[in-house]
Amino acid sequence: RKEVEQDPGPFNVPEGATVAFNCTYSNSASQSFFWYRQDCRKEPKLLMSVYSSGNEDGRFTAQLNRASQYISLLIRDSKLSDSATYLCVVNERRTDKLIFGTGTRLQVFP
Amino acid sequence: EAGVTQFPSHSVIEKGQTVTLRCDPISGHDNLYWYRRVMGKEIKFLLHFVKESKQDESGMPNNRFLAERTGGTYSTLKVQPAELEDSGVYFCASSRMAEGTYEQYFGPGTRLTVT
Repeated sequence: RKEVEQDPGPFNVPEGATVAFNCTYSNSASQSFFWYRQDCRKEPKLLMSVYSSGNEDGRFTAQLNRASQYISLLIRDSKLSDSATYLCVVNERRTDKLIFGTGTRLQVFP
Repeated sequence: EAGVTQFPSHSVIEKGQTVTLRCDPISGHDNLYWYRRVMGKEIKFLLHFVKESKQDESGMPNNRFLAERTGGTYSTLKVQPAELEDSGVYFCASSRMAEGTYEQYFGPGTRLTVT
């Protein structure tokens, strides 16, 4: 079983749609959680950290459920520029390394 | 502020040859990490430096891989001799040494192809 599991997609949505991605992680010792965005043939870029209380940054909302070991990302009012791969990432504080999911591909069409 | 830089951006070598990848972290970042993505798989951790010391090298696949960070600034990752399965994208990342801060910033990667 993978340490971080994501639906690979692709999710094809029209502009303006709301789309949600989910992710589960297996290690209950995981301490920090992130969503990274990766464009084709580019490096991963931090989109947002995820906190237990949930957090919002503009059109993006992230939620963490520690009991279920589940992380989500909600994108409202999708833009063409949101098309990318979204990587769910967890960090084990003991080791400081990041553990990545395989990513969920989003394609927003006009 | 300049980001993480990596050199070269691409490298094509033959099986059995040696390749050295370089990473320059963001200035002032004591933590430096190497990751790798092979085709069709997720990005995987290779190792972590704190300044010039190896903090965690649990992800290094075998002894054909040697990472160094002399002086605690830039880092090199040498693959010798390269095998076909070493092909992939090698990312370097860095972060500040600050309590509670675990945000890692990635470089553009080196795309390695072993033929």
